[in-house]
Amino acid sequence: DQQVKQNSPSLSVQEGRISILNCDYTNSMFDYFLWYKKYPAEGPTFLISISSIKDKNEDGRFTVFLNKSAKHLSLHIVPSQPGDSAVYFCAASATGGGSEKLVFGKGTKLTVNP
Amino acid sequence: DTGVSQDPRHKITKRGQNVTFRCDPISEHNRLYWYRQTLGQGPEFLTYFQNEAQLEKSRLLSDRFSAERPKGSFSTLEIQRTEQGDSAMYLCASSAVYEQGGVAEAFFGQGTRLTVV
Repeated sequence: DQQVKQNSPSLSVQEGRISILNCDYTNSMFDYFLWYKKYPAEGPTFLISISSIKDKNEDGRFTVFLNKSAKHLSLHIVPSQPGDSAVYFCAASATGGGSEKLVFGKGTKLTVNP
Repeated sequence: DTGVSQDPRHKITKRGQNVTFRCDPISEHNRLYWYRQTLGQGPEFLTYFQNEAQLEKSRLLSDRFSAERPKGSFSTLEIQRTEQGDSAMYLCASSAVYEQGGVAEAFFGQGTRLTVV
């Protein structure tokens, strides 16, 4: 049973436009959410996170939105650049559980076309 | 210290052999995690340490898998009697735990790609 779902395996956008990556979760105990970016043959790289006490967090071109009632979060990249092309993983954690282990979605492959 | 380091980057082994991977976390991080990633999937949690104590193991971690972090610094993950289904990317991550509570985001190494033939 997948607790974190990324329903779009791939997304293609034009350079300069907005990229919106979506993520849904089912476990109401999750209270901390992260986005990681992964290039082939490398480990995931941390991008941005958000605590459940917030509904938005912004860092440069990256903004994460959290809708707790819908159990949905999204990552916005504006403007998109060709170097953003990678697989993006949504991850969630239940920090009250002690381990803060991450539960990942299957990822969305983003391609930004020049 | 430039980040989490894993060794080797690639390992090809014959079925039935034992393999051991090493992870060196970011030096000030007291939490260390092992994850496994197969093709088309996100990383899956295997186990984690706080300092030298192994505090949680996933049911994914069969008896053939063992992990250690003897001095609270580097960690090793050993797989005994490897099977073809063990072929995957094994990822190590580390994070800091704040005295006032809360855990910082986890930083991942580049992974060890295991191929069992």
